[in-house]
Amino acid sequence: DTEVTQTPKHLVMGMTNKKSLKCEQHMGHRAMYWYKQKAKKPPELMFVYSYEKLSINESVPSRFSPECPNSSLLNLHLHALQPEDSALYLCASSQGIYQPQHFGDGTRLSIL
Amino acid sequence: KNEVEQSPQNLTAQEGEFITINCSYSVGISALHWLQQHPGGGIVSLFMLSSGKKKHGRLIATINIQEKHSSLHITASHPRDSAVYICAVGVGGTSYGKLTFGQGTILTVHP
Repeated sequence: DTEVTQTPKHLVMGMTNKKSLKCEQHMGHRAMYWYKQKAKKPPELMFVYSYEKLSINESVPSRFSPECPNSSLLNLHLHALQPEDSALYLCASSQGIYQPQHFGDGTRLSIL
Repeated sequence: KNEVEQSPQNLTAQEGEFITINCSYSVGISALHWLQQHPGGGIVSLFMLSSGKKKHGRLIATINIQEKHSSLHITASHPRDSAVYICAVGVGGTSYGKLTFGQGTILTVHP
């Protein structure tokens, strides 16, 4: 069992749908991350939150909207996604931004 | 040229063999990470290094800062070690929190 919990594990959505991915950790970590991973490729960083504030946005399209409501929870709101957005979305957390990252199992997203 | 290069890209071994995966990087770093990803997605952080050598069970990671090179060794390999091994570097400065990843090494250990 991982200490970073992501829900749902799988998500299929149409291009006009709005959905959200959820990530939760109870390790007291103050940094949280969203990554996108395409098949047979390494993860690509999307966003970093440090102390609940957005510290890095890797020029991600606005159809992806991150939210950090509290130190344990990280959401990724999805709207009007494209088929090329189909991927594994990984969440991670770390004690600080200079510490090892703990990854969730990911949400496998398919856009129809 | 990628900032982080791993070799080999694919590695096949027989159970019990000693395995080495290499990682070279071209930028100044704050730390280097070795990660393991099994089929199905989950990523596990194996090591974070900024100097020297670390050991955990059958895994050993070394880093040479002057040569910008790191190696991950697996002793007495086992089929359950089959996974993708990823080297990633943190570069610090205004990019604190950002990891730059290598392309990964696919390891298959046969019984």
